[in-house]
Amino acid sequence: EPEVTQTPSHQVTQMGQEVILRCVPISNHLYFYWYRQILGQKVEFLVSFYNNEISEKSEIFDDQFSVERPDGSNFTLKIRSTKLEDSAMYFCASSVEADTQYFGPGTRLTVL
Amino acid sequence: KQEVTQIPAALSVPEGENLVLNCSFTDSAIYNLQWFRQDPGKGLTSLLLIQSSQREQTSGRLNASLDKSSGRSTLYIAASQPGDSATYLCAVRTASGGSYIPTFGRGTSLIVHP
Repeated sequence: EPEVTQTPSHQVTQMGQEVILRCVPISNHLYFYWYRQILGQKVEFLVSFYNNEISEKSEIFDDQFSVERPDGSNFTLKIRSTKLEDSAMYFCASSVEADTQYFGPGTRLTVL
Repeated sequence: KQEVTQIPAALSVPEGENLVLNCSFTDSAIYNLQWFRQDPGKGLTSLLLIQSSQREQTSGRLNASLDKSSGRSTLYIAASQPGDSATYLCAVRTASGGSYIPTFGRGTSLIVHP
């Protein structure tokens, strides 16, 4: 069964550094999403992406964040200058339409 | 702003019991509602999705119902098993002003002991 994959599984970085989290959505899916979950907190929506552009973003998704689909298979989330409070699990998800979303296993980001 | 609440926050039951997990939401103008399970340190696995026009969905031992007018959804788990132990999340996509951003509840942490 097709799955959403994410790399790396764990990323440790220093505050102020740039990180890129990578996702490979399910191949026939058209909608792509990033979420985060701070330890012990709710899952929070960051951004949705469709037809090579951002369709929606939350208040969390500020100028420090960007997304890209560089090659038709990967979907990336870049954080330009990481802060301590960016430490969280980051989940990628994809869907055929705006319906059932399939999540990846997540990337644990630790900012020191 | 949509608020999603899940009750109870935690539940511990013996194997074989039938369970009801609750999800309530404040804005009834929803597009759909999705139930997930999350195992510790893992991603989310979709269980059931209910469109706003539907009343319930079933998959195996799971049944989810939706009552938009009262702002509630329930997830019914029949004949619970230890493998059902996980955190169960509901996520509501609100159809408001062209936005479909999903809002998650905090989840119900379920332990089914043998």
